[in-house]
Amino acid sequence: IQLTQSPSSLSASVGDRVTITCRASQGISSYLAWYQQKPGKAPKLLIYAASTLQSGVPSRFSGSGSGTDFTLTISSLQPEDFATYYCQQLKSYPLTFGGGTKVEIK
Amino acid sequence: QMQLVQSGAEVKKPGASVKVSCKASGYTFTTYDMHWVRQAPGQGLEWMGIINPSGGSTSYAQKFQGRVTMTRDTSTSTVYMELSSLTSEDTAVYYCARGTTLYYGTDVWGQGTTVTVSS
Repeated sequence: IQLTQSPSSLSASVGDRVTITCRASQGISSYLAWYQQKPGKAPKLLIYAASTLQSGVPSRFSGSGSGTDFTLTISSLQPEDFATYYCQQLKSYPLTFGGGTKVEIK
Repeated sequence: QMQLVQSGAEVKKPGASVKVSCKASGYTFTTYDMHWVRQAPGQGLEWMGIINPSGGSTSYAQKFQGRVTMTRDTSTSTVYMELSSLTSEDTAVYYCARGTTLYYGTDVWGQGTTVTVSS
């Protein structure tokens, strides 16, 4: 199952609303997770089951979608949110990741 | 607290093998699967495979079939990932990551192990 993320990068300002999309090549129900990765660090789980916030993750992060189309939304971008975001399908092996979306400071 | 601690950086020559360890602590080792994910320099994340520490069953991405072996030692709560026939394309940071049922993703990650393949 291939995952296509868009955009591959974006520039935004603190306080902006940011939306990242992830499209699966076939239906995966809600078997999707989102991760945040900062340079030199391991990825961090933000959302699983497409829309469930991982414990400890700020509520400005939200996820939606089912089937083939998914979105990650950051309602009000904070300085610590500048990072690369990846989606991952968990429906079937091999588990696959999207290509990533780099969120940069405008 | 729950943590995964990986072994240190490795430098290998083409054709060699590398074995990376991942020691778990702060939770019941056999209750969670362990994934291995790698990231080449400047590139995205690539899932390599998964091992069930309880029974030792594994599933590998087809790309790595025949070259990767994942094992575990329940007495030390450690999982291992061995990759053979290394080429420069295997230069990457290798991560272990804990997961329950797949639906819930991987919630605890190791710090990463850099493997450099160079002649």
